[in-house]
Amino acid sequence: AQKVTQAQTEISVVEKEDVTLDCVYETRDTTYYLFWYKQPPSGELVFLIRRNSFDEQNEISGRYSWNFQKSTSSFNFTITASQVVDSAVYFCALPGSGNTGKLIFGQGTTLQVKP
Amino acid sequence: DVKVTQSSRYLVKRTGEKVFLECVQDMDHENMFWYRQDPGLGLRLIYFSYDVKMKEKGDIPEGYSVSREKKERFSLILESASTNQTSMYLCASSLWGTGGDTVVGYTFGSGTRLTVV
Repeated sequence: AQKVTQAQTEISVVEKEDVTLDCVYETRDTTYYLFWYKQPPSGELVFLIRRNSFDEQNEISGRYSWNFQKSTSSFNFTITASQVVDSAVYFCALPGSGNTGKLIFGQGTTLQVKP
Repeated sequence: DVKVTQSSRYLVKRTGEKVFLECVQDMDHENMFWYRQDPGLGLRLIYFSYDVKMKEKGDIPEGYSVSREKKERFSLILESASTNQTSMYLCASSLWGTGGDTVVGYTFGSGTRLTVV
């Protein structure tokens, strides 16, 4: 069965610190996608990244970077030089089996960045 | 700007009431979804729909039903609200596709925080 685990419930850092959010997944699919979403206090989930299992290269977008390790079934997300605006709940997700279109979400990690 | 709009941001209802949560999307997406978000549990799928008048149960459909009479609108119905249905409800829509492509353009609404007293 598809499963996503985000073991870190809450993380608190001081501005400018680097922080890594962990994501471990289980899937029976041989090819799959993985996602990260950000949920700021406004409530709307904001898409951050989609990664295909074929591509194990790390990805960097500004202060955000993602480390995909197929061997350990992990897709970790690092924020460099964190800012107060990064405070949010972050979700890792992967599609459900078959062509249902649904996403399976992790429990979410609440990140608090203090000034 | 493309959008998924949920009619209410906050809602307070009494136990036993019939509750309607409305969701409208303007992207002509085939797929629409209702998720429930609870602390420590992430988002869990309640129901989804591939097309007008079609619906499929998600992981936690008990106590809920849905209606999709028009492509752009997907309603979640709590037949008889109970306190354990107090939660944040999120609607989403996406394009039709296969596997990970089904989540291309996956767009969420801002959520409805429902409190049942």
